[in-house]
Amino acid sequence: EIVLTQSPGTLSLSPGERATLSCRASQSVSSSFLAWYQQKPGQAPRLLIYGASTRATGIPDRFSGSGSGTDFTLTISRLEPEDFAVYYCQQYGSSPATFGQGTKLEIK
Amino acid sequence: EVQLLESGGGLVQPGGSLRLSCAASGFTFSSYAMSWVRQAPGKGLEWVSAITYSGGTTSYADSVKGRFTISRDNSKNTLYLQMNSLRAEDTAVYYCAKDRSKGDTAGWYPRFDPWGQGTLVTVSS
Repeated sequence: EIVLTQSPGTLSLSPGERATLSCRASQSVSSSFLAWYQQKPGQAPRLLIYGASTRATGIPDRFSGSGSGTDFTLTISRLEPEDFAVYYCQQYGSSPATFGQGTKLEIK
Repeated sequence: EVQLLESGGGLVQPGGSLRLSCAASGFTFSSYAMSWVRQAPGKGLEWVSAITYSGGTTSYADSVKGRFTISRDNSKNTLYLQMNSLRAEDTAVYYCAKDRSKGDTAGWYPRFDPWGQGTLVTVSS
């Protein structure tokens, strides 16, 4: 099973700042089958990025994903108030599909 | 618009059973694989089970294998999760989620988009 480790656990930033979230895999993720999800309190997760770098439908271009192999990054270029949430990475390149433990992005 | 509406959650005693349902609309349900993902209170996400578009192939997390059964009725656009021998550690919000494909190709593993709003299952005496 591929273990995904996200860092930092909590990120405190202000609106307008740039956020960089990391997801490291215990072994290489096949074909960059890595996705990012955003979850706000009391809501279901929402797909942001798939294939490591492709934005899902309707996702603003301030969200971008990069990386390959074992190291992946989600970048939010300029934080908006609605971006403060918990973010999860997920690999779907091998069985079983697994999630990282999440990064909480909070307002500083 | 794709909509997924889970139901069937509730309070159940350890060792008990529960069946969750997920009613789908806004897409051709019979053309997509589906999954269940759960989230224990205050915790992260855990994939539970997946089923291909036809129902011909199913897969499970080790934590639920032999206790949970996923199924679908394409004539009713509905996904199910039969949960038996429930344990306290099964307490969670259970989400159903649509996949991007039929799920019948080699090397396919589930990705989730979109998700339903979830249904809470509490296992406690």
